Amino acid sequence: GAGVSQSPSNKVTEKGKDVELRCDPISGHTALYWYRQSLGQGLEFLIYFQGNSAPDKSGLPSDRFSAERTGGSVSTLTIQRTQQEDSAVYLCASSFGHTKNIQYFGAGTRLSVL
Amino acid sequence: AQSVSQHNHHVILSEAASLELGCNYSYGGTVNLFWYVQYPGQHLQLLLKYFSGDPLVKGIKGFEAEFIKSKFSFNLRKPSVQWSDTAEYFCAVNAQGGKLIFGQGTELSVKP
Repeated sequence: GAGVSQSPSNKVTEKGKDVELRCDPISGHTALYWYRQSLGQGLEFLIYFQGNSAPDKSGLPSDRFSAERTGGSVSTLTIQRTQQEDSAVYLCASSFGHTKNIQYFGAGTRLSVL
Repeated sequence: AQSVSQHNHHVILSEAASLELGCNYSYGGTVNLFWYVQYPGQHLQLLLKYFSGDPLVKGIKGFEAEFIKSKFSFNLRKPSVQWSDTAEYFCAVNAQGGKLIFGQGTELSVKP
């Protein structure tokens, strides 16, 4: 596709359930980023991939959060045992490299934890 | 740690008014600077960027920004806003490894 694709666009889950969020980056982009956008916290970095490895996981808020990337393309962000404070919009971005490069964002997944 | 501060949380202007949104960052080294815009119901889009060279950069839709290194600032300007500029504007910095550090965002409302 032409842009970064995220699915699902909306996810409603019950507290304690696990969720998986998917990101399909722009073809050829080697760098992939996950961010979280929530009221009161703004836009926060979660994790960055270069290829299939994650050199920077510093933004993951707890060990309930994990992410992987396979084939240098699709990435999945998994949240285990979801809590109400996990409710947010989860954004994925990709870029052609990781230094002087523009990050292109997907539309996000809006996660609501009841 | 790097941080980005946007001074205005909500700005309300009438059409044709001039706009300036403040952005300051804290980081002592070389930085890349960005302004992103999020129109209602849409995803984040790049307005403009500064990597090096001329500190006055021009972006899409008539926006420009000036990098002033001595003030650690990267303010966004537009001489005459339109109703269609109603959106949320985010200043961002990247330095160490490419992750973006965002400001809190400024919501701009333009009255027709």
